[in-house]
Amino acid sequence: EIVMMQSPATLSVSPGERATLSCRASQSVSSNLAWYQQKPGQAPRLLIYGASTRATGIPVRFSGSGSGTEFTLTISSLQSEDFAVYYCQQYDVWPPRWTFGQGTKVEIK
Amino acid sequence: EVQLVESGGGLVQPGGSLRLSCAASGFTFSSFEMTWVRQAPGKGLEWVSYISSSGRTRYYADSVEGRFTISRDNAKNSLSLQMNSLRAEDTAVYYCARVTRGTLDYWGQGTLVPVSS
Repeated sequence: EIVMMQSPATLSVSPGERATLSCRASQSVSSNLAWYQQKPGQAPRLLIYGASTRATGIPVRFSGSGSGTEFTLTISSLQSEDFAVYYCQQYDVWPPRWTFGQGTKVEIK
Repeated sequence: EVQLVESGGGLVQPGGSLRLSCAASGFTFSSFEMTWVRQAPGKGLEWVSYISSSGRTRYYADSVEGRFTISRDNAKNSLSLQMNSLRAEDTAVYYCARVTRGTLDYWGQGTLVPVSS
């Protein structure tokens, strides 16, 4: 099983500041990496797929980078609605044994 | 507008069974793979099961293999998850999600399944 590790567990950021979230895979997943945002009481929402492609309707302040085992999600200027938990997910393996990171909570500083 | 609406959750005793459903609308259901993902209270996301667009191919996480069965009815735009021999550790919110090239691009709102005596 590919283990996904996210850091930090919690990130305290002021509105308007940049947030950088990391995700590391236990083995290469190429660019088969997605990021999701989850707010309390809501379902996750797809933000980024293919490591760097924004999903439909996702603001340009969200960007993804990386390949292989190291990935980054950057939120360039945090808005109030961006405070949430973010998960990475690998989808490199077949048959599907898709795995998620444990999440990074972005909270207001 | 793509919509996925889960139903069927509720309190069940250990060893019991439950069937979850997911009603899909706003897209050509028969053209898309589907999946179930769960989230235990206060925890992260865990992939549970996958089904191909035709329904012929199915996969399960090791934690539910042999106890859960995924199925779909393309004529009714419906996805199901039959859960048997439920355990306390199966307690979670269960989400159905549409799959596009391995990513889960649309999710339902989830249905809670508490397993407790």
